[in-house]
Order: sequence, then structure tokens, then C-alpha cells
Amino acid sequence: NAGVMQNPRHLVRRRGQEARLRCSPMKGHSHVYWYRQLPEEGLKFMVYLQKENIIDESGMPKERFSAEFPKEGPSILRIQQVVRGDSAAYFCASSPPLRPDGNEQFFGPGTRLTVL
Amino acid sequence: GQQLNQSPQSMFIQEGEDVSMNCTSSSIFNTWLWYKQDPGEGPVLLIALYKAGELTSNGRLTAQFGITRKDSFLNISASIPSDVGIYFCAGQTTSGTYKYIFGTGTRLKVLA
Repeated sequence: NAGVMQNPRHLVRRRGQEARLRCSPMKGHSHVYWYRQLPEEGLKFMVYLQKENIIDESGMPKERFSAEFPKEGPSILRIQQVVRGDSAAYFCASSPPLRPDGNEQFFGPGTRLTVL
Repeated sequence: GQQLNQSPQSMFIQEGEDVSMNCTSSSIFNTWLWYKQDPGEGPVLLIALYKAGELTSNGRLTAQFGITRKDSFLNISASIPSDVGIYFCAGQTTSGTYKYIFGTGTRLKVLA
């Protein structure tokens, strides 16, 4: 049973380019989360999606960032017109549908974005 | 927004010593998860806690869900060099979308 898959593991972009990060959840998981981690810092929630629906995007920057989880295929985190401050590790996690009494969440290996 | 205070921020210990770290919040949580992250990798789930007062072990690791539902601690007994890494707590919010909030991490270094 494969875990959460992310690709690419490393991505280098020049300022102004677009970055597309992909995440495939664990088999049987219908919910995907994206987090950003700066060096020496914790994980900051960005967005929570299920298939074809954004459930919570309260952590997403208002501009340049978008996320989707289509009916078929992986979830995509898209960053348009990247700036140096976007350089970070971006982690995806997946779980079954969240219940009020709790679920476990499993992480992928991350994509390390470097903006030159 | 809800925040988790995790302490200590970092610690150096001798191999064989026991380690204790905790997370506290002003808000209550439904679930606590504890993760370990190695350099360049994603967080790996260590222990999940679902009920106030629950005490759960995983090998040399023991974690407890505080009675007030506002805190949790993680103990590591007889530390070994491979325990080095960053440990994160995560609390599941009790309303809205039930998403997880993460602590700032405890950086553990073990001296052989």
C-alpha cells in the first residue's frame, strides 16, 4: 500500500515563473492537505481539499496560489509568478474524511521549491 | 487563530536518558497527533490520541492526551542516536473543518 506520493521532490524556478506541485494521496484516502514549511519552522496549514471541492483555504495566500484536486489525477498546488519568498518545503498529507472524533493524517516526502 | 505552544524548542541529551516534551493551547482539541521529522523528509506519524486522559505507547514512546483537552505530552525513554530529529504535535480543531494545527516543533539532539 503506497504512501502519499509527491513530485517533484526538488523544483527550481526563476522569479516570475510558475511552480506546479503534485500530490497523490494514499489509497483509500479522499482528503488532501497542503502545508508549507520554512527552514527551522513548523508546518503552516495552507489548504484542505477533497475531490473537486476546496473545503478550507484559510491558509492560502490571497494571490498567486491556487490548489485543486480533480476527480481524476493528483492534487495540484500551483504558484504563479514565484518570488524568492516562496522558497520553502511544501508538504502534502492525506486522510479519510475528517471526523469530529479524530482521524490520522499521513504525510508525503515533500517538494522543496527554490526560487532563484 | 488557534495556536499550539510546544516546548522545549530544542534539547541536547545524553544517549540513554529519558526525554519529555509537551504542547499546550488555550483552545481544546479533539485529537492529538505526534510526528517525527528527519532532515529532508516528511513528518512520520508516531502516536495518535483520541480521548482526554488517554495514554498510548509505541515502543519507547509514550504520549498522553491531557484531561483538559488543551495539552499533550510525549515521552521517549532510553534515547538512542536515531531519535535525533524534530518532533511535532498537531491538534485537531473542534469546529469548522476539523483541520489540524501544528506546534512549532522540538529539536532533539542525542549525544552518544
